[in-house]
Amino acid sequence: ETGVTQTPRHLVMGMTNKKSLKCEQHLGHNAMYWYKQSAKKPLELMFVYSLEERVENNSVPSRFSPECPNSSHLFLHLHTLQPEDSALYLCASSQDLTARLHYGYTFGSGTRLTVV
Amino acid sequence: AQSVTQPDIHITVSEGASLELRCNYSYGATPYLFWYVQSPGQGLQLLLKYFSGDTLVQGIKGFEAEFKRSQSSFNLRKPSVHWSDAAEYFCAVAPSGGGADGLTFGKGTHLIIQP
Repeated sequence: ETGVTQTPRHLVMGMTNKKSLKCEQHLGHNAMYWYKQSAKKPLELMFVYSLEERVENNSVPSRFSPECPNSSHLFLHLHTLQPEDSALYLCASSQDLTARLHYGYTFGSGTRLTVV
Repeated sequence: AQSVTQPDIHITVSEGASLELRCNYSYGATPYLFWYVQSPGQGLQLLLKYFSGDTLVQGIKGFEAEFKRSQSSFNLRKPSVHWSDAAEYFCAVAPSGGGADGLTFGKGTHLIIQP
């Protein structure tokens, strides 16, 4: 247990479904992130939140919609996904944006998403 | 922008043998460097990091890494691997001057341990 909890661990959804991924951290961190991990590709940074404000949006399709209601919770809302969106989605946190450069991230275990 | 190359997609090592995983980075100045490990079905766990100072850094689980500026490398080593070390290993770099993108990760090296 790293202190960053992601649910569900596995998710299978159809292309017309709407689902949400949840991330929760109780480390007192102020920055949270969504990463996409696909086979044979580097981790892709999707979204960055600092103090509940979105800081970066790295050209992610609009079918992915993040939400950060407070500093401990981060959601990724999914709708009308494509099969190529199947991947491991990782949530991470850091004390703040600068701390990630000095100390790295604390990652959750991820949600394995399969789009059928 | 910084980049990271892990030349080996797969590495197979016998249990008890020594290990070296390669990492090369591209960055204009001295970056911050990291190694992460990912066990099957898990997220990434930080093994060790380098900022400055002693170029040989010690991490958890008996791992160490050496920063070599002249070779732009930050190779991960372990003198004797255990079956539990079988996992995916990621090298990452962050710009020491700060940067909006945070860490840049390599594609990973899959470590297989033979009995």
